[in-house]
Amino acid sequence: QSALTQPRSVSGSPGQSVTISCTGTSSDVGGYNYVSWYQQHPGRAPKIMLYDVSKRPSGVPDRFSGSKSGNTASLTISGLQAEDEADYYCCSYAGTYTWVFGGGTKLTVL
Amino acid sequence: EVQLVESGGGLVQPGGSLRLSCAASGFTLSSNTVRWVRQAPGKGLEWVSTFSGSGNTHYADSVKGRFTISRDNSKNTLSLQMNSLRAEDTAVYYCVRGPGYWFDPWGQGTLVTVSS
Repeated sequence: QSALTQPRSVSGSPGQSVTISCTGTSSDVGGYNYVSWYQQHPGRAPKIMLYDVSKRPSGVPDRFSGSKSGNTASLTISGLQAEDEADYYCCSYAGTYTWVFGGGTKLTVL
Repeated sequence: EVQLVESGGGLVQPGGSLRLSCAASGFTLSSNTVRWVRQAPGKGLEWVSTFSGSGNTHYADSVKGRFTISRDNSKNTLSLQMNSLRAEDTAVYYCVRGPGYWFDPWGQGTLVTVSS
């Protein structure tokens, strides 16, 4: 499977909103409502931020939201904070018990 | 608290073998799905393998035929036997629970380096 397509980097100032896109195909993102998003700080393990496109696990601020349209999913972070600076990865179920991740997006808080 | 701790990483020559272990606590492996995900240095994440709660196993095409995932219910541990290792297998390997169609929580990872 080919990796999902994410922008290499995005940036925003504290308090602003940013959106990270994640584009796949009808065989993964477009075919299932099983997109999840992960935050990874340098040298740390990834952490789940959203699952099933837009559901937030306990403890994740409601500043993080997700959506999907066709073959593209999006993660929006509103009210940017310094601690949001990290790498973000999307992931989609791709059928027959396989998963595909995006290449990752580096978020810089200016 | 649900926790996963990986071990067994290290330096291995191309063509060699290595066995990774993942010790689970706070939940029972035999009734949960657990997966391996790897991350090459400076690169993105890649799903590697799954051991489902029902005992089914699944592999990414990149490792099929070379890697074998197994589970020891008595020790509540998951293993990944990696054979015929290649330079492109160099990565941090994470053990992750799969409560649904997502990955949570993640272990701290163990580094595998394939080099001569």
